[in-house]
Amino acid sequence: GQNIDQPTEMTATEGAIVQINCTYQTSGFNGLFWYQQHAGEAPTFLSYNVLDGLEEKGRFSSFLSRSKGYSYLLLKELQMKDSASYLCAVGDYKLSFGAGTTVTVRA
Amino acid sequence: GAVVSQHPSWVICKSGTSVKIECRSLDFQATTMFWYRQFPKQSLMLMATSNEGSKATYEQGVEKDKFLINHASLTLSTLTVTSAHPEDSSFYICSARETSGAYEQYFGPGTRLTVT
Repeated sequence: GQNIDQPTEMTATEGAIVQINCTYQTSGFNGLFWYQQHAGEAPTFLSYNVLDGLEEKGRFSSFLSRSKGYSYLLLKELQMKDSASYLCAVGDYKLSFGAGTTVTVRA
Repeated sequence: GAVVSQHPSWVICKSGTSVKIECRSLDFQATTMFWYRQFPKQSLMLMATSNEGSKATYEQGVEKDKFLINHASLTLSTLTVTSAHPEDSSFYICSARETSGAYEQYFGPGTRLTVT
């Protein structure tokens, strides 16, 4: 089975940096995904890590350590529109999602 | 990018009736589609995996006779909630993977079901 943990809520100021951690315990690992979900909408894909290390994509970066069962999503130069829930998911063919971290960006 | 649509976007039905939700991949073929349910302030819970031309695979605890899934073509999967009850009120989201085997799942916009 899968056990995926991430913080429930985080608050940050516009222009700042926020790091969302995700730890997981799985019976098998094929990759880790990060999704962004605005209230009442479907998730949108942000990043995918299958090997250890940092993947950078614009203002968003994602890091993975398979030996530690750990990942983080780094959001830089925060904007108000980044206020959303961020979901960590593990799997390949099927995805298991964490409960999500609600990020609130304040002016 | 690939687009997945869902219809309807929201529906209100009376207890005891059935509701059908459609999930379509608009610009790609999807051998596999997934159906999720999300309650307020909770994460997505996978309900079932829908495979084109074969029976769906349901997750533990999901009643296959209550949530009927049909994947009749490479671009369409339907979820029918039969004999709906208020506790079935939720946000239902589908996703699809390209037949080519790419890792990314593309999510539909979701369907808000309210059972009165």
